[in-house]
Amino acid sequence: DTGVSQNPRHKITKRGQNVTFRCDPISEHNRLYWYRQTLGQGPEFLTYFQNEAQLEKSRLLSDRFSAERPKGSFSTLEIQRTEQGDSAMYLCASSSRTVTPETQYFGPGTRLLVL
Amino acid sequence: AQKVTQAQTEISVVEKEDVTLDCVYETRDTTYYLFWYKQPPSGELVFLIRRNSFDEQNEISGRYSWNFQKSTSSFNFTITASQVVDSAVYFCALRNYGGSQGNLIFGKGTKLSVKP
Repeated sequence: DTGVSQNPRHKITKRGQNVTFRCDPISEHNRLYWYRQTLGQGPEFLTYFQNEAQLEKSRLLSDRFSAERPKGSFSTLEIQRTEQGDSAMYLCASSSRTVTPETQYFGPGTRLLVL
Repeated sequence: AQKVTQAQTEISVVEKEDVTLDCVYETRDTTYYLFWYKQPPSGELVFLIRRNSFDEQNEISGRYSWNFQKSTSSFNFTITASQVVDSAVYFCALRNYGGSQGNLIFGKGTKLSVKP
């Protein structure tokens, strides 16, 4: 399977703990995106990487959130001091201008529950 | 402002019925892209179609068809002869061409239930 993969698929944590999610994009996709989806809503954009450079961050991405893509391949999204409002599905997507321009392909998501 | 509206929150049909999912968008850009994604209960968003704003030709793919009308800012999706496997949440999304490279703007989705 050469699609976008995300780990873990589910995460339950207590308020105040830190959590980290991983995303592996489709091979050779140079763009990687993070979205957050709450129940009954569409995904909302969080941040975007082109290769290892983080080019855009949404105002939704508070100081407790940090994302990295150190070698331009996989990416991690860390949430520090989690709050109950962080409970959501975190989706990762990737794209490549050279393969299928402007189309983002999504992974299965990581579902976070903060108790 | 950019916005995508999917007014239908939930639709329920019986298998083999045709069903149309509505999508209305707002953008000030003249060049943009429109998308439809399917989200089955497993949670993964599955890409269905991308449409460029300069190409208003409608498209058919098997039982799926899309009607793009710039005059009414609509990009509707029709499933012909629906099947139980079509049950999912369907999202319409907008991305402007010249602006943010990351910002797909989604509607709230339409939950389609197809009953046998």
